[in-house]
Amino acid sequence: KAGVTQTPRYLIKTRGQQVTLSCSPISGHRSVSWYQQTPGQGLQFLFEYFSETQRNKGNFPGRFSGRQFSNSRSEMNVSTLELGDSALYLCASISGDYNEQFFGPGTRLTVL
Amino acid sequence: GQNIDQPTEMTATEGAIVQINCTYQTSGFNGLFWYQQHAGEAPTFLSYNVLDGLEEKGRFSSFLSRSKGYSYLLLKELQMKDSASYLCAVRERGQNFVFGPGTRLSVLP
Repeated sequence: KAGVTQTPRYLIKTRGQQVTLSCSPISGHRSVSWYQQTPGQGLQFLFEYFSETQRNKGNFPGRFSGRQFSNSRSEMNVSTLELGDSALYLCASISGDYNEQFFGPGTRLTVL
Repeated sequence: GQNIDQPTEMTATEGAIVQINCTYQTSGFNGLFWYQQHAGEAPTFLSYNVLDGLEEKGRFSSFLSRSKGYSYLLLKELQMKDSASYLCAVRERGQNFVFGPGTRLSVLP
């Protein structure tokens, strides 16, 4: 069974630009969560999608958005990038019984 | 509000036993999870508790007391490869996962 894949793995952008990150969950998993991880704030929940619908949202500004497609693949977008958006962005594929989250390798975003 | 506390750092010796504590105050409770994260890597699932008591999985055990808002992860027969950050996370009502700040464990020879 293939694991969670995230693309790209590394990204360098400049302030003001926008970025789109992609996540493919484990086959059969319909729920995907996104997290931002920084040394100072730890792992913070961004949003969760289930069957193409956003089910939960964390406390992030509207510059952070996401969507999920019918094949369960998910994308997140960050517009008008700020230096503080530099972080590791992790996607998690959630099992049907919600008892396990499987994380992808993450996308490391650097904003210059 | 949401609050999960863990010690920031711990040090232990190879072969020893270490206990990493986690206390939480969250909006509802729907399970407590422990994850291991090596530097530069994604977190990996270690254990899950939803009822009070001890869950054992090889060298790793996790304990939960819902009335006290308390959990611990017990690592036995420590190995050098156990040096990592250990994250405590609570799944709230509504299925959100809230993560603690993590405990960085260093295992010394």
